[in-house]
Amino acid sequence: ETLLTQSPGTLSLSPGERATLSCRASQTIAASYLAWYQQKPGQSPTLLIYGTSTRASDIPDRFSGSGSGTDFTLTISRLEPEDFAVYYCHHYGDSQLPFGGGTKVEI
Amino acid sequence: QVQLVQSGAEVKKPGASVKLSCKVSGGDFSKYFIHWVRQAPGQGLEWMGWINAGIGNTRYSQKFQGRASITRDASATTVYVEMSSLRGDDTAVFFCARGGQGLGRPFFNWGQGSLVSVSS
Repeated sequence: ETLLTQSPGTLSLSPGERATLSCRASQTIAASYLAWYQQKPGQSPTLLIYGTSTRASDIPDRFSGSGSGTDFTLTISRLEPEDFAVYYCHHYGDSQLPFGGGTKVEI
Repeated sequence: QVQLVQSGAEVKKPGASVKLSCKVSGGDFSKYFIHWVRQAPGQGLEWMGWINAGIGNTRYSQKFQGRASITRDASATTVYVEMSSLRGDDTAVFFCARGGQGLGRPFFNWGQGSLVSVSS
């Protein structure tokens, strides 16, 4: 089973700054099957990015995804107040569908 | 617009079972894979398993194999998950989520979550 490790665990930034979140897989995975979700306190997760770099519906273009092989990145170009949340990467291309442990983006 | 509406909170004693529901509306129910995801308090997301809503076959995470059972009622466009032999560390919010038409698709829509509290 592929394990996903996210870093850092917590990212402390200010509005307007750039956020770079990392997701590392324990083995090579196809870029077609890597997604990112955002979860705010008390809410369900929301799909942000799938296929490594495709934004889901209504997701603003300050969110972007990149990567290949075992290393994937979610970038938020300029943090807005509503972007402070927990972000999870997710591999959905295998018989087991693991999530990473999450990165909290806080002010 | 596909919507997933889950059943309400449950309180159970250790050793008991719980069955949660997820009503799917909008779209073509029979074409979707519906997943269940668990989230313990303050913790991350754990994928539990999926059901092919069309034909009813299932697959489970190795962690939940044998203790979780996912079923569906196609006439009611509703998916269920039943967890048995509950323990205190099963206290969590359980989410259902809609995958695409076929495997290898992300989770496009999520239910609002159902809290299960396990305590003696």
